[in-house]
Order: sequence, then C-alpha cells, then structure tokens
Amino acid sequence: EAGVAQSPRYKIIEKRQSVAFWCNPISGHATLYWYQQILGQGPKLLIQFQNNGVVDDSQLPKDRFSAERLKGVDSTLKIQPAKLEDSAVYLCASSPTGGGRYGYTFGSGTRLTVV
Amino acid sequence: GEDVEQSLFLSVREGDSSVINCTYTDSSSTYLYWYKQEPGAGLQLLTYIFSNMDMKQDQRLTVLLNKKDKHLSLRIADTQTGDSAIYFCAERTGGKLIFGQGTELSVKP
Repeated sequence: EAGVAQSPRYKIIEKRQSVAFWCNPISGHATLYWYQQILGQGPKLLIQFQNNGVVDDSQLPKDRFSAERLKGVDSTLKIQPAKLEDSAVYLCASSPTGGGRYGYTFGSGTRLTVV
Repeated sequence: GEDVEQSLFLSVREGDSSVINCTYTDSSSTYLYWYKQEPGAGLQLLTYIFSNMDMKQDQRLTVLLNKKDKHLSLRIADTQTGDSAIYFCAERTGGKLIFGQGTELSVKP
C-alpha cells in the first residue's frame, strides 16, 4: 500500500510571499489532516477533513491559511502571506473512517523556511 | 483542556530498557498512541492501546495505561542504537490526535 505523499519536501520563501503544499492520502482513506510541527514541539492540528468537508478548522489561522480537499481525495494547504513564525514542518495524515486502531498514517512532511 | 505532557530527554545504554512516560488530560480518550520520529522523517506509528486495556505487548514494546492517573508509558526492551529518535505520545479525542512535545531518546553504545 502506497503511503501518504506530500510535496514539495522543502520550501524556502521570503516573508509576505505565498506558498502551497500538496497531499495525496492513502487510497480509500476518508479522513485527512494537516498538522504543523514547529521545531522542538509536537505536531498541532490545523484542519481535519472528512471526505471533502471540513470537520475541524478551529486551530487554522484563517486570515492567512486556507485548505481545500477537492473531490475528497488530494488536498492543498496554502499560506498567504507567510510570516517568519510559519517556519515549520507541515505534515499531512490520513486515516480510514473511524481511525481508532489503525492509527493515522503520516507523510514525510514539507519543511517550510520563511526568511 | 487538551494537553499531553512528556519529559523531553532520556538517555540509556545499548541493551538496557527504556521507559518513556506521558500524561494526558482527556479521560474520554478512546485510543492512545506512540509514534516515532527519526530526523527529517515523518511520524511512524509504533503501537496503540485501547482505553479499556491496561497493558499491551508487541515484541520489544510494552505499553502500560493507568486510566485513573491518566498516565501512559512505553517500555522498549533491549534498546538498540537504531531506537534513537523522538517518541511522541498522542491521545485520540474528538476524532483528532493531540500530541505531546516528544521525548528524545538517546542510546549510547
């Protein structure tokens, strides 16, 4: 079974620029998550999708972050404009409906550096 | 509130047992997980425990759950240098995972 695919692996941008990350979850996984992991910290949930609907985006800074999951498969996360404090690894994860004992499968992440 | 806490560092000698501890806050969490993260990599699911269990063993890994104290631990038997990584405890609450800040395990030969 193919894992969760993310691209790009690395991105360096200047503050106030925009950036987009892409995620392709495991085939058949209905639930998709975007997490932000700042260096030295645990991952923090940004947004959760169930199919193509948003379940939880309470921690998403909506003035600059947006995410969509078209057709309930791939997802993109965008930051516009970026700030220095957005430097982090952005992790995408997916799980089957119910999750539970299957856990959540994570991609390798996109490391964003804002200079 | 939602808060998962772990000690930040643990150092052991190769061949010893490692015990990584975690406390969580949501008594209604149904599943608790341990993930491993190696440098530059994503999170790898190591094991999980369902909330109605108090122990789970999987090869070198033993998970202990004390629901009364909301305490979770991961024991790694015969720790190897390849076990050096950051270990994250996570609780599943409201359909999402809440992670601790991670414990960096250093294994010395």
